[in-house]
Amino acid sequence: GQNIDQPTEMTATEGAIVQINCTYQTSGFNGLFWYQQHAGEAPTFLSYNVLDGLEEKGRFSSFLSRSKGYSYLLLKELQMKDSASYLCAVLTNAGKSTFGDGTTLTVKP
Amino acid sequence: DTGVSQDPRHKITKRGQNVTFRCDPISEHNRLYWYRQTLGQGPEFLTYFQNEAQLEKSRLLSDRFSAERPKGSFSTLEIQRTEQGDSAMYLCASSFRDRESGELFFGEGSRLTVL
Repeated sequence: GQNIDQPTEMTATEGAIVQINCTYQTSGFNGLFWYQQHAGEAPTFLSYNVLDGLEEKGRFSSFLSRSKGYSYLLLKELQMKDSASYLCAVLTNAGKSTFGDGTTLTVKP
Repeated sequence: DTGVSQDPRHKITKRGQNVTFRCDPISEHNRLYWYRQTLGQGPEFLTYFQNEAQLEKSRLLSDRFSAERPKGSFSTLEIQRTEQGDSAMYLCASSFRDRESGELFFGEGSRLTVL
């Protein structure tokens, strides 16, 4: 089976940096995704890591350590529109993505 | 292509009735997934298809749930004898298997309310 843990809620200030952590236990690991989900909307893809290290994409970066079963999503220069739920999802080599329960980020002025 | 579309967007039904949801994936995507999401939770895997073949079905899914993708294009998810616990957002997603990441593209979801 798979187990994915991430904090339930986080709060940060506009313009700041926030790091959202995700730990996982799985068999047949084939990559890790981060998705953003605004309230009442569908999840949208943010990033994908399959090798150890940092992937940077604009204000968002994602890090993976396969040996530790650990990933984080780093959001820089926070904007009010970044208030959303951030979902960590593990992809197995069977082609299935399993999601954590998400971290609700609130950005305050 | 306008993305993944789902129909209906909202469905209110009485306990014991059957409901069916339809998903039209992005046309070139060969994988199609069904997830269920309740408030405060992440999407819960239900089943997925590669072309018309159903590759996996969640063990948590009762026999009241069935899904098909008859021609490898659109898919339907049927819930028989609905229960109040079936109330949730049903999300469909598609992906292209041969892409390196194979990220999921989600539809807007079908919200089910069972009275």
